[in-house]
Order: sequence, then structure tokens, then C-alpha cells
Amino acid sequence: GDSVTQMEGPVTLSEEAFLTINCTYTATGYPSLFWYVQYPGEGLQLLLKATKADDKGSNKGFEATYRKETTSFHLEKGSVQVSDSAVYFCALIKAAGNKLTFGGGTRVLVKP
Amino acid sequence: EAQVTQNPRYLITVTGKKLTVTCSQNMNHEYMSWYRQDPGLGLRQIYYSMNVEVTDKGDVPEGYKVSRKEKRNFPLILESPSPNQTSLYFCASSRNREQYFGPGTRLTVT
Repeated sequence: GDSVTQMEGPVTLSEEAFLTINCTYTATGYPSLFWYVQYPGEGLQLLLKATKADDKGSNKGFEATYRKETTSFHLEKGSVQVSDSAVYFCALIKAAGNKLTFGGGTRVLVKP
Repeated sequence: EAQVTQNPRYLITVTGKKLTVTCSQNMNHEYMSWYRQDPGLGLRQIYYSMNVEVTDKGDVPEGYKVSRKEKRNFPLILESPSPNQTSLYFCASSRNREQYFGPGTRLTVT
């Protein structure tokens, strides 16, 4: 079946550091890929998405590129802020469907 | 404001006492679903609904029921809760495969 694997956390960084969270997936066909963010005490918010190979999703300084050859969708941000402290989830939806398959989540803590 | 609402936000209950968590969306979305979030497991789908009166099981449906009598509402029912259903629950609605999540319901079953 479909699956998403992302690096375990927690990831602890200093402000202005570079952030990378690795995400790889297993799915047949051409899924759409997503990153969701969950701030403390809140629900999930869509951070960015990509719907086909080589697409780059970007939002709030975060970027991720859909790499079909490596089945990956790594999340990056060049300079993190304390307000980026959250749990980040990588997810996919298959081409014909609505069900999200999530990775286990990566907690990121940014210290001043 | 477009949103998904859930109630209650927090609930502590005892084993076997039936409970319902409500979910409502104001975006006229046809697709709605329920997820549970557990540490290290991410979110797993419990049930989903493609439209009114159309529901189906997700990955972890055991011990849960749902109904979809109106387009905007999708309640989650635990007929006889057990401690292994202690979790954080999220409702979501979707259009064009972009899902909007509610704020979550933290349930503790003792």
C-alpha cells in the first residue's frame, strides 16, 4: 500500500539556521504531495503542495520539489524563525482519490 | 470565514460510555473525513464520506461509527469507548483534494 516516511525528530535548531526535513514516499501512479504544519494546540494547515514531477511548492519561505526519480519531497527553509517551531507532516494523495496518507510527523524546535 | 469546527475540544470519559464528537463545515464540501493522530504514527483515516448518505471505512474504523445526514455535518460516534481510543481526533473537509482540518478533539478514555 501507499506509505510516507519522514525523518524522526525532534529537530532542534538555532534561529536563522537552515532546515531540511526529508520525506520519501511509496505509491503507484502519480500522487500529489503535500506538507502540512501543526502549530502547538492547533489543527493542521496546508503549508505547500506539488501535483506533478519536478513541481516546486513554496510558501512562507519553505520549499519542496517533487522528485519522482527519488520518490522524495524534502522540505527546506533557508533561515528559520522561532515561530517556525511546529510539527511538520508530509503526505500524499493518489491521483484518483481524496484520502491523505501521512508520514509520522517531525517536530521542529527553533531556539532564539 | 471558511472553517471546520469540532466539539468538544477536550473530553475525558470512562470506558463504555457512548459519546459523539461533532464536526461541521461551512464550505459546502462534499468530501469529509475523520483522522486520529497518535505519536509517531502521524494521522490515520478512520472514516470518510463522499457525500450525503455515502460513507466508507478508512484505515482504522474499528470501534467507530459515522453518519452523514446533511452535507455540512459529519459526527463521529464511539458506541463503547475503550482506553485504546485515547487520541487526538481531527475532522477534515476537502475540495479538489485540498483538505481543511478542524482544530482537533483531544479524547481521553479511562
